Amino acid sequence: QSALTQPPSASGSPGQSVTISCTGTSSDVGAYHYVSWYQQHPGKAPKFIIYEVTKRPSGVPDRFSGSKSGNTASLTVSGLQPEDEADYYCSSYAGNYNLVFGGGTKLTVL
Amino acid sequence: QVQLVESGGGVVQPGGSLRLSCAASGFTFSSIGMQWVRQAPGKGLEWVAFIHYDGTNKYYADSVRGRFTISRDNSRNTLYLQINSLRAEDTAVYYCAKLWLYSAGWYSMDHWGQGTQVTVSS
Repeated sequence: QSALTQPPSASGSPGQSVTISCTGTSSDVGAYHYVSWYQQHPGKAPKFIIYEVTKRPSGVPDRFSGSKSGNTASLTVSGLQPEDEADYYCSSYAGNYNLVFGGGTKLTVL
Repeated sequence: QVQLVESGGGVVQPGGSLRLSCAASGFTFSSIGMQWVRQAPGKGLEWVAFIHYDGTNKYYADSVRGRFTISRDNSRNTLYLQINSLRAEDTAVYYCAKLWLYSAGWYSMDHWGQGTQVTVSS
């Protein structure tokens, strides 16, 4: 199972919005509503921020939002803050009891 | 609060074996599915394996199937990963993670441990 495709990097200034894409196929992202997103700061464990494409667990700021169109899911971070600088990973159920992650995107807050 | 503490990592020669453990606390371990996810140095996350709350169903990534075995001891609140026939490409930090309950299926993880390093080198 191939990894989902994410841009290696993204950036924005404080207060701006940034969108990170996660492209899969009709067998994973396009087939299921089970895309999740995780935030990882250097040397830290991943943190859960989005599930089922658009839903936020309690405690996650509403500045984080998710969406999907066809085989591509997206994470938008609005009102960028310095602490949003981190790596972001998407994941999707891929059928046949497989889970696949994206390669990760390094978000830089300028 | 939820705590997941991995242990058992180390340096091992190619072809060797290790058993990783994940001690869980702060939630009803016996009621929740668990995952292992790994991260090679400087690389992204890679799903490894999942086990249902009662151990009856287990799923594996193609890259590890036949070499890795996930298991759990609900009486000890502990998750395990037996890793055999280790290869250089298995070098990674191995995380255990707890299933997010408020979603259908087993596809999201809401708490992660800090990870244990496995290095395969001669």
